[in-house]
Amino acid sequence: QSALTQPASVSGSPGQSITISCTGTSSDIGVYNYVSWYQQYSGKAPKLILYDVGARPSGVSDRFSGSKSGSTASLTISGLQAEDEADYYCSSYTRSSTWVFGGGTKLTVL
Amino acid sequence: EVELVESGGGLVQPGGSLRLSCEASGFTFSDFWMHWVRQVPGKGLVWVARIFSDGTDTSHADSVKGRFTISRHNAKNTLYLQMNSLRAEDTAVYYCARSRDLTFDFWGQGTLVTVSS
Repeated sequence: QSALTQPASVSGSPGQSITISCTGTSSDIGVYNYVSWYQQYSGKAPKLILYDVGARPSGVSDRFSGSKSGSTASLTISGLQAEDEADYYCSSYTRSSTWVFGGGTKLTVL
Repeated sequence: EVELVESGGGLVQPGGSLRLSCEASGFTFSDFWMHWVRQVPGKGLVWVARIFSDGTDTSHADSVKGRFTISRHNAKNTLYLQMNSLRAEDTAVYYCARSRDLTFDFWGQGTLVTVSS
């Protein structure tokens, strides 16, 4: 199972919006809505920020939103803040009853 | 408050073995599937293994199949990962994670495994 494809890095200025894409295949994102996104600060554990494509866990800011089209999922962060600077990973359940992650995207807030 | 605390990591020689543990608290451990996910420092996350809430079924990534075994002891609220025949490429931070509805909703802080002579 190959990793999902994410851009290595994205950047934006405070207040702007950015979108991170996550491309999979017909064996994962293309067939399931079990797409989730995780935020990871350097040296820390990942934290769930979106699940089932666009649902937010309790306590996660509504500045984070998600969508999916075909085999590509997207994470959008609006009203960018300095505290959003982190690594972001997408994940999907697969037809093989396993899980696959994206390679990660480093978000820089300029 | 949900808490997952991994332990057991360290330096091991190629071909050696190690057992990781993950102690859970703050929730009914026996109600949830559990997983191990690893991350080479500076690299991405990789799913390693899954175990059903009652321990009756397990699944392992192809890269560790036949060498690693996930297990659990619900009475002790503890998840394990027995790692045998370790290779340099197994060097990583190993996280335990809880899943709900096929999503990893809580993660431990991780334990570093280094395979080197």
